[in-house]
Amino acid sequence: GAVVSQHPSRVICKSGTSVKIECRSLDFQATTMFWYRQFPKQSLMLMATSNEGSKATYEQGVEKDKFLINHASLTLSTLTVTSAHPEDSSFYICSAPPPWGGLAGGGGKNIQYFGAGTRLSVL
Amino acid sequence: DAKTTQPPSMDCAEGRAANLPCNHSTISGNEYVYWYRQIHSQGPQYIIHGLKNNETNEMASLIITEDRKSSTLILPHATLRDTAVYYCIVRVGGSSNTGKLIFGQGTTLQVKP
Repeated sequence: GAVVSQHPSRVICKSGTSVKIECRSLDFQATTMFWYRQFPKQSLMLMATSNEGSKATYEQGVEKDKFLINHASLTLSTLTVTSAHPEDSSFYICSAPPPWGGLAGGGGKNIQYFGAGTRLSVL
Repeated sequence: DAKTTQPPSMDCAEGRAANLPCNHSTISGNEYVYWYRQIHSQGPQYIIHGLKNNETNEMASLIITEDRKSSTLILPHATLRDTAVYYCIVRVGGSSNTGKLIFGQGTTLQVKP
């Protein structure tokens, strides 16, 4: 089946540093990818839509200068948490809809494959 | 998008069928019902989706009521590996939709030996 790879799986960094998280679609091209954040015992919260070749679209309340998204190719999107602080510690997850999702009885882009997530701990 | 309501938690005995309900009484005609699950500390996994007909795949069955106001995800023979949070999401389908998935609180299914 389709695979979305996320790297690193875990990162610990000092406050004030920047952290880059990569999301790759391994066997399909994805013009759109999505980034989510999940705090302990809470549900996933959509942060932004990553668009290949254009600017990302951020959800309300998400700081675009804090969470930089780059979707430079059809298989790679990156999320950079700039000047990370302890409150940015969270589980970050990406997803991508495979092109055949649209063929699955009208499911469209809502059929998505998710990465395994990146656990960020800021000290 | 239509709001969904799910029980916060459920238990199921290993080997028995797990029936997870979802209420979506405000669903509109062009909205699909999607089910995802998230095993602890992993990314969510797509399970199944449907519009109005019942659907079955290798993972589960989806039963949608005739008025489409509720649905049930059925795991026919639950195993310990099915312990997870199950999310019911209602979204417009078709190739033109944005693909944004809005996750609610879901149902935590605990499969017990």
